[in-house]
Amino acid sequence: NAGVMQNPRHLVRRRGQEARLRCSPMKGHSHVYWYRQLPEEGLKFMVYLQKENIIDESGMPKERFSAEFPKEGPSILRIQQVVRGDSAAYFCASSRLPPGTNEKLFFGSGTQLSVL
Amino acid sequence: QQQVKQSPQSLIVQKGGISIINCAYENTAFDYFPWYQQFPGKGPALLIAIRPDVSEKKEGRFTISFNKSAKQFSLHIMDSQPGDSATYFCAAKTSGSRLTFGEGTQLTVNP
Repeated sequence: NAGVMQNPRHLVRRRGQEARLRCSPMKGHSHVYWYRQLPEEGLKFMVYLQKENIIDESGMPKERFSAEFPKEGPSILRIQQVVRGDSAAYFCASSRLPPGTNEKLFFGSGTQLSVL
Repeated sequence: QQQVKQSPQSLIVQKGGISIINCAYENTAFDYFPWYQQFPGKGPALLIAIRPDVSEKKEGRFTISFNKSAKQFSLHIMDSQPGDSATYFCAAKTSGSRLTFGEGTQLTVNP
């Protein structure tokens, strides 16, 4: 059973370009979470999605950032018009059970975004 | 109130020693306290977790001590090994969807 798969592992973008980060959850998991990790800091929650629904996006900036988890295919975190401050490691996690239960989160290896 | 404060920022321990990492929180609605281990270039992996109805949980060489009245919890790694060298994060969660992470502790275990 493959773990949470994220791609690309490394992504380099110039200021103003778009970044698309992909996350395939573990098999049988329908709950996906995105976290951002700045250097020397802990992970910060961004968004929680179920299939075709954004459940909690309270940690995601209102502008330039969007996320989706379509019925088919991976979850996508999209950052438009990237700025240098967006440079960070972006981690996806998935769980089989919803929040509030004894769900266990499994994290992917992350996408390191570098904005030049 | 959503913050989780973690210390120390870095820790060096000799092989066979005990590693202790501490965390403190303010939000009394937190009811789940996991610890994650992260190796360079990898995502965090759940190590051990505790709920506030118990004061201690042990799994192998890893023990969580939980003090509800002080709003503090700590990770103890007994018989620390060089392979334990990693960054450790405490976290806390309510019944909602977000984990609130501490700032992390870089643990180095010298041979």
